[in-house]
Amino acid sequence: AQSVTQPDIHITVSEGASLELRCNYSYGATPYLFWYVQSPGQGLQLLLKYFSGDTLVQGIKGFEAEFKRSQSSFNLRKPSVHWSDAAEYFCAVKNFNKFYFGSGTKLNVKP
Amino acid sequence: NAGVTQTPKFQVLKTGQSMTLQCAQDMNHEYMSWYRQDPGMGLRLIHYSVGAGITDQGEVPNGYNVSRSTTEDFPLRLLSAAPSQTSVYFCASSYGRAGDTQYFGPGTRLTVL
Repeated sequence: AQSVTQPDIHITVSEGASLELRCNYSYGATPYLFWYVQSPGQGLQLLLKYFSGDTLVQGIKGFEAEFKRSQSSFNLRKPSVHWSDAAEYFCAVKNFNKFYFGSGTKLNVKP
Repeated sequence: NAGVTQTPKFQVLKTGQSMTLQCAQDMNHEYMSWYRQDPGMGLRLIHYSVGAGITDQGEVPNGYNVSRSTTEDFPLRLLSAAPSQTSVYFCASSYGRAGDTQYFGPGTRLTVL
């Protein structure tokens, strides 16, 4: 069965510091991979996605993610975090017509 | 262009009651899906549809029914609500191609007493 693991439930970083959110997946072939962000009380918004080609993908709001097949990982990064980035982040895998989400990482940003 | 809309925003039910959560999209998307979100568990797929008249089960389909009579609408029915169905429900849609972006609705917060 497919699974998506986000090992960090909560992360706190200082404003201006760099950020890396981890995501590991369990799937046999090259999957379709996504990162979403959810602000409190809101739906999910797509940050970026990967399904082929360059393993470093750029997204909105200055985020990027790198697909590493050997590590079954798709970690999300941002070089300098802004206070408005405080939210919950979800990694997801698409297998045929089904999406599987990780349990999420809540990001707090210290002033 | 309203995107994905969901009604109601909030609902309280008693155990055993039935209700329908509504989802509509105006983007002519073929693919629509329902998720439930519970603390610490992320989003779990309940049911999905790849087009009008076609539905299939996701990870957690028990206790829920769906139908897709039009491209625009994808209602989720709870036939006999249970406290375990207390959750936030999200509907999403996309064109259905492999790497397409899913657009999410604002969610329905359901409490079953």
